[in-house]
Amino acid sequence: EVQLVESGGGLVKPGESLRLSCAASGFTFNNAWMTWVRQAPGKGLEWVGRIKSKAAGGTTEYAAPVAGRFTISRDDLKNTVNLQMNSLKTEDTAVYYCATPAGITAAGYAAWGQGTLVTVSS
Amino acid sequence: EIVMTQSPATLSVSPGERATLSCRASQGVSNNLAWYQQKPGQAPRLLIYAASTRAPGIPATFSGSGSGTEFTLTISSLQSEDFAVYYCQQYNNWPLTFGGGTKVEIK
Repeated sequence: EVQLVESGGGLVKPGESLRLSCAASGFTFNNAWMTWVRQAPGKGLEWVGRIKSKAAGGTTEYAAPVAGRFTISRDDLKNTVNLQMNSLKTEDTAVYYCATPAGITAAGYAAWGQGTLVTVSS
Repeated sequence: EIVMTQSPATLSVSPGERATLSCRASQGVSNNLAWYQQKPGQAPRLLIYAASTRAPGIPATFSGSGSGTEFTLTISSLQSEDFAVYYCQQYNNWPLTFGGGTKVEIK
């Protein structure tokens, strides 16, 4: 069974940092392109960024609002993907999901975690 | 950035009726479009990718169509479990973008 489990969310002050993790199981993680998507309270979905598989270069791309502040990394030995968030702003408050096609579909995000809530407030 | 516009924002439908949701891209995205369903407190669920291909386990009551800039998600006969928010997403151009969502509510 494909499973994604996020952790690391919490309450932080503006300007602080937080590191989220997503533990994956049930699929070939080292082949997967992993994505982070967030959802502010009561709002829609916002794509945050992704990391390609190492075979595809392992490169990362980010949405403009987080570029330069957020960094995505992966550990293929531990089957985890991380989201390092620095210089957090109140507008970064959201539920953060990791997602991936997981080899289930050729496109789209067929697998999602349950999400972890990040609250940025003074 | 490609802007995805969904309409209507809210759709009131009676159980058993048909629902038609629209998604428009600000520029052409070929057929690189997905649809997701999200219920309160849950993660999104992939329904459709490549504009018209159902994801595994998705019932045939859900169908997608369109290409280029105009896309449609049709739910042929609404069941109680189908009342939710639906999002489209283009994955043709960087950055990937979602529409604002259509809430399908019980009439």
